[in-house]
Amino acid sequence: QKEVEQNSGPLSVPEGAIASLNCTYSDRGSQSFFWYRQYSGKSPELIMFIYSNGDKEDGRFTAQLNKASQYVSLLIRDSQPSDSATYLCAVMINDMRFGAGTRLTVKP
Amino acid sequence: DVKVTQSSRYLVKRTGEKVFLECVQDMDHENMFWYRQDPGLGLRLIYFSYDVKMKEKGDIPEGYSVSREKKERFSLILESASTNQTSMYLCASSFSVGGEEQYFGPGTRLTVT
Repeated sequence: QKEVEQNSGPLSVPEGAIASLNCTYSDRGSQSFFWYRQYSGKSPELIMFIYSNGDKEDGRFTAQLNKASQYVSLLIRDSQPSDSATYLCAVMINDMRFGAGTRLTVKP
Repeated sequence: DVKVTQSSRYLVKRTGEKVFLECVQDMDHENMFWYRQDPGLGLRLIYFSYDVKMKEKGDIPEGYSVSREKKERFSLILESASTNQTSMYLCASSFSVGGEEQYFGPGTRLTVT
Protein backbone atom coordinates (compact mmCIF):
# COMPACT_ATOMS: atom_id res chain seq x y z
CA GLN A 1 0.00 0.00 0.00
CA LYS A 2 1.31 3.43 -0.93
CA GLU A 3 1.82 5.83 1.94
CA VAL A 4 -0.23 8.56 0.27
CA GLU A 5 -2.84 7.68 -2.33
CA GLN A 6 -4.81 9.87 -4.66
CA ASN A 7 -7.04 9.19 -7.63
CA SER A 8 -4.97 10.12 -10.67
CA GLY A 9 -7.99 11.48 -12.51
CA PRO A 10 -8.42 13.27 -14.69
CA LEU A 11 -11.25 14.92 -12.84
CA SER A 12 -13.34 17.19 -15.02
CA VAL A 13 -15.87 19.70 -13.66
CA PRO A 14 -17.76 22.56 -15.29
CA GLU A 15 -16.93 26.14 -14.42
CA GLY A 16 -18.70 27.23 -11.25
CA ALA A 17 -19.04 23.70 -9.86
CA ILE A 18 -17.41 22.26 -6.72
CA ALA A 19 -14.34 20.14 -7.34
CA SER A 20 -13.63 17.48 -4.73
CA LEU A 21 -10.15 16.00 -4.45
CA ASN A 22 -9.44 13.11 -2.14
CA CYS A 23 -6.39 11.63 -0.46
CA THR A 24 -5.82 8.73 1.92
CA TYR A 25 -2.71 7.98 3.92
CA SER A 26 -1.40 4.92 5.67
CA ASP A 27 0.48 6.18 8.75
CA ARG A 28 -1.80 6.98 11.70
CA GLY A 29 1.01 8.98 13.28
CA SER A 30 0.90 11.62 10.56
CA GLN A 31 0.34 15.09 11.96
CA SER A 32 0.59 17.57 9.11
CA PHE A 33 -1.22 17.56 5.81
CA PHE A 34 -0.70 19.75 2.78
CA TRP A 35 -2.25 20.42 -0.60
CA TYR A 36 -0.02 21.67 -3.40
CA ARG A 37 -1.10 22.86 -6.82
CA GLN A 38 1.13 22.22 -9.82
CA TYR A 39 0.45 23.80 -13.18
CA SER A 40 1.77 21.98 -16.22
CA GLY A 41 5.50 22.57 -16.59
CA LYS A 42 5.71 24.40 -13.27
CA SER A 43 6.79 23.46 -9.77
CA PRO A 44 4.37 22.74 -6.90
CA GLU A 45 3.07 25.61 -4.78
CA LEU A 46 1.35 25.27 -1.43
CA ILE A 47 -2.33 26.22 -1.32
CA MET A 48 -3.54 24.74 1.98
CA PHE A 49 -2.27 22.98 5.06
CA ILE A 50 -4.26 21.42 7.90
CA TYR A 51 -3.20 19.91 11.21
CA SER A 52 -6.47 19.30 13.11
CA ASN A 53 -9.55 17.23 12.42
CA GLY A 54 -12.34 19.15 10.75
CA ASP A 55 -12.52 21.77 8.07
CA LYS A 56 -10.24 24.66 7.24
CA GLU A 57 -11.38 27.30 4.79
CA ASP A 58 -9.33 29.77 2.78
CA GLY A 59 -11.27 31.66 0.15
CA ARG A 60 -12.69 29.18 -2.35
CA PHE A 61 -10.63 26.33 -0.89
CA THR A 62 -11.63 24.06 2.00
CA ALA A 63 -9.40 21.34 3.37
CA GLN A 64 -11.05 18.57 5.35
CA LEU A 65 -9.21 16.16 7.64
CA ASN A 66 -10.50 12.98 9.25
CA LYS A 67 -7.66 11.30 11.13
CA ALA A 68 -9.81 8.36 12.23
CA SER A 69 -10.48 7.49 8.60
CA GLN A 70 -6.99 8.61 7.50
CA TYR A 71 -8.52 10.81 4.90
CA VAL A 72 -7.89 14.36 3.76
CA SER A 73 -9.75 16.19 1.04
CA LEU A 74 -9.70 19.49 -0.81
CA LEU A 75 -12.85 21.20 -2.00
CA ILE A 76 -12.69 23.98 -4.56
CA ARG A 77 -15.87 26.03 -4.76
CA ASP A 78 -16.89 28.05 -7.80
CA SER A 79 -14.22 26.29 -9.86
CA GLN A 80 -12.50 28.41 -12.50
CA PRO A 81 -10.59 27.37 -15.63
CA SER A 82 -7.50 28.78 -13.91
CA ASP A 83 -7.89 26.04 -11.28
CA SER A 84 -7.02 23.46 -13.94
CA ALA A 85 -3.84 21.85 -12.62
CA THR A 86 -2.54 18.77 -10.86
CA TYR A 87 -3.20 18.77 -7.11
CA LEU A 88 -0.71 16.99 -4.89
CA CYS A 89 -1.56 15.74 -1.43
CA ALA A 90 1.41 15.66 0.96
CA VAL A 91 1.62 14.11 4.40
CA MET A 92 4.31 14.70 6.97
CA ILE A 93 5.42 11.33 8.31
CA ASN A 94 9.13 11.24 9.13
CA ASP A 95 9.56 13.46 6.14
CA MET A 96 7.17 14.82 3.55
CA ARG A 97 5.46 12.14 1.47
CA PHE A 98 3.60 13.12 -1.68
CA GLY A 99 0.78 11.44 -3.53
CA ALA A 100 1.01 11.03 -7.29
CA GLY A 101 -1.46 13.87 -7.80
CA THR A 102 -4.93 14.32 -9.27
CA ARG A 103 -5.28 16.19 -12.54
CA LEU A 104 -8.22 18.60 -12.48
CA THR A 105 -9.73 20.17 -15.58
CA VAL A 106 -12.32 22.94 -15.22
CA LYS A 107 -14.27 23.39 -18.44
CA PRO A 108 -15.66 26.84 -19.34
CA ASP B 1 10.05 37.25 -1.96
CA VAL B 2 10.85 33.60 -1.50
CA LYS B 3 13.31 32.28 -4.03
CA VAL B 4 14.66 28.84 -4.87
CA THR B 5 16.66 28.67 -8.06
CA GLN B 6 18.05 25.74 -9.98
CA SER B 7 21.00 25.94 -12.32
CA SER B 8 19.31 24.62 -15.45
CA ARG B 9 15.74 24.20 -16.68
CA TYR B 10 16.68 21.61 -19.30
CA LEU B 11 19.71 19.37 -19.49
CA VAL B 12 20.71 16.62 -21.90
CA LYS B 13 23.52 14.29 -20.90
CA ARG B 14 24.98 11.05 -22.18
CA THR B 15 25.01 7.75 -20.34
CA GLY B 16 27.99 7.53 -18.03
CA GLU B 17 28.52 11.26 -17.65
CA LYS B 18 28.83 12.88 -14.25
CA VAL B 19 26.01 15.37 -13.78
CA PHE B 20 25.74 18.22 -11.31
CA LEU B 21 22.41 19.85 -10.46
CA GLU B 22 22.67 22.99 -8.36
CA CYS B 23 20.06 24.54 -6.10
CA VAL B 24 20.28 27.85 -4.28
CA GLN B 25 17.81 29.37 -1.80
CA ASP B 26 17.87 32.89 -0.44
CA MET B 27 15.54 32.40 2.55
CA ASP B 28 18.13 31.28 5.10
CA HIS B 29 16.28 27.96 5.38
CA GLU B 30 17.87 25.17 7.38
CA ASN B 31 16.46 22.33 5.32
CA MET B 32 16.85 21.50 1.68
CA PHE B 33 15.51 18.61 -0.37
CA TRP B 34 15.99 16.94 -3.73
CA TYR B 35 13.05 15.13 -5.36
CA ARG B 36 12.47 13.54 -8.69
CA GLN B 37 9.04 13.58 -10.29
CA ASP B 38 7.89 10.95 -12.74
CA PRO B 39 4.41 10.47 -14.27
CA GLY B 40 2.22 8.30 -12.06
CA LEU B 41 4.81 8.14 -9.29
CA GLY B 42 4.59 11.64 -7.90
CA LEU B 43 7.43 13.26 -6.03
CA ARG B 44 10.01 10.91 -4.57
CA LEU B 45 12.61 12.08 -2.10
CA ILE B 46 16.21 11.42 -3.11
CA TYR B 47 18.19 13.19 -0.36
CA PHE B 48 17.67 15.93 2.16
CA SER B 49 19.83 18.04 4.41
CA TYR B 50 19.12 19.57 7.82
CA ASP B 51 22.25 21.65 8.00
CA VAL B 52 25.50 22.44 6.32
CA LYS B 53 27.60 19.36 5.59
CA MET B 54 24.72 17.20 6.76
CA LYS B 55 22.78 14.83 4.52
CA GLU B 56 20.19 12.11 4.89
CA LYS B 57 19.04 9.52 2.38
CA GLY B 58 15.49 9.65 1.15
CA ASP B 59 13.55 6.89 -0.57
CA ILE B 60 15.64 6.53 -3.71
CA PRO B 61 19.27 7.57 -3.08
CA GLU B 62 20.87 4.90 -5.27
CA GLY B 63 22.93 6.42 -8.07
CA TYR B 64 22.91 9.88 -6.48
CA SER B 65 25.00 11.82 -4.00
CA VAL B 66 24.67 15.31 -2.58
CA SER B 67 26.81 18.11 -1.28
CA ARG B 68 25.98 20.97 1.04
CA GLU B 69 29.03 23.08 1.69
CA LYS B 70 27.07 26.29 2.31
CA LYS B 71 23.68 26.80 3.89
CA GLU B 72 22.12 28.30 0.77
CA ARG B 73 23.37 25.72 -1.73
CA PHE B 74 22.47 22.05 -2.12
CA SER B 75 23.90 20.08 -5.03
CA LEU B 76 22.70 16.79 -6.47
CA ILE B 77 25.29 14.66 -8.23
CA LEU B 78 24.67 11.80 -10.61
CA GLU B 79 27.97 9.95 -10.50
CA SER B 80 27.38 8.05 -13.74
CA ALA B 81 24.16 9.03 -15.45
CA SER B 82 21.88 6.30 -16.71
CA THR B 83 18.78 6.43 -18.90
CA ASN B 84 16.53 5.53 -15.95
CA GLN B 85 17.57 8.81 -14.33
CA THR B 86 15.78 10.75 -17.04
CA SER B 87 13.27 12.75 -15.00
CA MET B 88 12.19 16.10 -13.63
CA TYR B 89 14.34 17.06 -10.64
CA LEU B 90 12.90 19.44 -8.09
CA CYS B 91 14.77 21.14 -5.29
CA ALA B 92 12.91 22.47 -2.25
CA SER B 93 13.71 24.22 0.99
CA SER B 94 11.93 24.78 4.27
CA PHE B 95 12.56 26.51 7.56
CA SER B 96 11.98 23.31 9.51
CA VAL B 97 11.41 19.70 8.55
CA GLY B 98 8.28 19.11 10.54
CA GLY B 99 5.07 20.59 9.29
CA GLU B 100 6.39 23.57 7.44
CA GLU B 101 5.78 24.64 3.89
CA GLN B 102 8.35 23.56 1.36
CA TYR B 103 9.27 26.06 -1.34
CA PHE B 104 10.16 24.55 -4.67
CA GLY B 105 12.54 25.60 -7.37
CA PRO B 106 11.43 25.66 -11.03
CA GLY B 107 12.79 22.17 -11.71
CA THR B 108 15.38 20.71 -14.05
CA ARG B 109 14.22 18.36 -16.76
CA LEU B 110 17.12 15.98 -17.28
CA THR B 111 17.32 13.69 -20.28
CA VAL B 112 19.98 10.99 -20.34
CA THR B 113 20.59 9.50 -23.77
